Amino acid sequence: DQQVKQNSPSLSVQEGRISILNCDYTNSMFDYFLWYKKYPAEGPTFLISISSIKDKNEDGRFTVFLNKSAKHLSLHIVPSQPGDSAVYFCAASGNYGGATNKLIFGTGTLLAVQP
Amino acid sequence: DSGVTQTPKHLITATGQRVTLRCSPRSGDLSVYWYQQSLDQGLQFLIQYYNGEERAKGNILERFSAQQFPDLHSELNLSSLELGDSALYFCASSPRGGNYNEQFFGPGTRLTVL
Repeated sequence: DQQVKQNSPSLSVQEGRISILNCDYTNSMFDYFLWYKKYPAEGPTFLISISSIKDKNEDGRFTVFLNKSAKHLSLHIVPSQPGDSAVYFCAASGNYGGATNKLIFGTGTLLAVQP
Repeated sequence: DSGVTQTPKHLITATGQRVTLRCSPRSGDLSVYWYQQSLDQGLQFLIQYYNGEERAKGNILERFSAQQFPDLHSELNLSSLELGDSALYFCASSPRGGNYNEQFFGPGTRLTVL
């Protein structure tokens, strides 16, 4: 059972435009969400996070929006740059009662920013 | 560079063999996590250690085991290897073991079982 879903395996965007990556989750216990970027042959790199008490968090060109009622979050990148081309993973964690921080990852979206 | 190191970078072995993957967390981080990424799959949580103690288990096979040593480095042991164990294995670390803090990932170990 895939608790975190990224339904778009790939996305192509023109340089300078907005990239919107989407993520849906099913587990109501999730209360902390993260986005990671991954280049080939490297480990995932943390981008931005949001806790469930917020509905928006912004860091430079990156903004994450959380819609708890829809169990949906999105990552906006504005403006998109060719260096943003990578696989983006959505991840979630929750209060499982054991003070663990295990992350549940989506399957990723490959973003290609065209010059 | 996340500050998390993993060795070896690549490992090629045969079915039935046993291997050990090593991870050194970022300086000061007490928690270590292991994840597996198979072909076309997202990262699957395997196990977490916090300050030497097992904190949480995920989809880790009984043939796999891990430990965290007093100097906080961790090892993942994979035994009786099967073709399906071929994957990228990532280690991550975080300062604490609880929720609401991001994890920093190492570059991964690519395991190929022939």
